[in-house]
Amino acid sequence: EAQVTQNPRYLITVTGKKLTVTCSQNMNHEYMSWYRQDPGLGLRQIYYSMNVEVTDKGDVPEGYKVSRKEKRNFPLILESPSPNQTSLYFCASSSMEVPYEQYFGPGTRLTVT
Amino acid sequence: GQNIDQPTEMTATEGAIVQINCTYQTSGFNGLFWYQQHAGEAPTFLSYNVLDGLEEKGRFSSFLSRSKGYSYLLLKELQMKDSASYLCAVSGYTGGFKTIFGAGTRLFVKA
Repeated sequence: EAQVTQNPRYLITVTGKKLTVTCSQNMNHEYMSWYRQDPGLGLRQIYYSMNVEVTDKGDVPEGYKVSRKEKRNFPLILESPSPNQTSLYFCASSSMEVPYEQYFGPGTRLTVT
Repeated sequence: GQNIDQPTEMTATEGAIVQINCTYQTSGFNGLFWYQQHAGEAPTFLSYNVLDGLEEKGRFSSFLSRSKGYSYLLLKELQMKDSASYLCAVSGYTGGFKTIFGAGTRLFVKA
């Protein structure tokens, strides 16, 4: 089954404790992206990657890091989480062919206290 | 900069037609997308427009006017299961493939 998986699905952590949210896709997609979704603000892109070892900033990259060492994986790293990073996070992937349909993972709900 | 505007909420009646509008400003344009998101779930792809005109897919149609920075999603024969948020998104190629989403339009379908 074609899918994007994220782990963990739910996470409660404390300020400053480094964490990683994993994202994996099995569709051999070149493009992968991370978004955060907050009430009233919609989805905002954090980082995206157009292929292995190629990453670029989205609109809200501050406080986040990513890496793309393998095509299927695109982890999101919060080196020192803060309460304003409490949000719902989605990973997505797509091929680089029309219609560039993005497939979204199930989401990770992160709470930073 | 890039900006997308769409209404916050809309209400329509089962069996009716509803049009959800989206206006955008973007530097570089590689296409406009519509996604559907049910409460508590991930967004799912509905449509993609890169050329002006109407794209029809079953009960859903999407229209694009690049010169006006305008799109709409048309939902026909509304069903209760169409109650969801509808997200307008623009992909802009400015050396990369950024995707900007609007805040979404919550559609309530009533019997």
